[in-house]
Amino acid sequence: EAGVAQSPRYKIIEKRQSVAFWCNPISGHATLYWYQQILGQGPKLLIQFQNNGVVDDSQLPKDRFSAERLKGVDSTLKIQPAKLEDSAVYLCASSLDGYQETQYFGPGTRLLVL
Amino acid sequence: SQQGEEDPQALSIQEGENATMNCSYKTSINNLQWYRQNSGRGLVHLILIRSNEREKHSGRLRVTLDTSKKSSSLLITASRAADTASYFCATDPSGSRLTFGEGTQLTVNP
Repeated sequence: EAGVAQSPRYKIIEKRQSVAFWCNPISGHATLYWYQQILGQGPKLLIQFQNNGVVDDSQLPKDRFSAERLKGVDSTLKIQPAKLEDSAVYLCASSLDGYQETQYFGPGTRLLVL
Repeated sequence: SQQGEEDPQALSIQEGENATMNCSYKTSINNLQWYRQNSGRGLVHLILIRSNEREKHSGRLRVTLDTSKKSSSLLITASRAADTASYFCATDPSGSRLTFGEGTQLTVNP
């Protein structure tokens, strides 16, 4: 069974530039998550989708971050404009149906903002 | 502040020894999950224990949950160098999302 795919794996940008991350969840998984993990900390949920609807985006900085999940499958997370403090690993995860189920994580995208 | 807090922050043991990590949380939960993260990689789910369960086993892993004390422990028996990783507990305090602690960094020396 293929796992959660993410791209790119690494990205370096300058502050005020924009960047986009892509995620392809495990086939058949209804729930998709984007997490931000700052070095030395645990992952923090940014947004949770159930199929193509948003369940929880309370911790998403909506002035600069946006996310969508087209047709309830792939998802993109965008940052515009980026700030230095956005340097982190962005993890995508999926689960069969809901946050109480096991979440399967992708390898993450490591973002460095200079 | 984080809902789940792991203790200790770092743990270094010899191969073959047992490793115990603890997680404390503040509000009631439906379930508690443990994840492992190897350096530079995504998280891997280890075990899920529901609030009405007290103990669960999976291979060399043993998880306990004490809802009266709002705490959980993860025991890894007969540790191996490959167990070197960060271990996170995750809880669902608000009933809507998982909240991760800051993790315990385990180093198993050969």
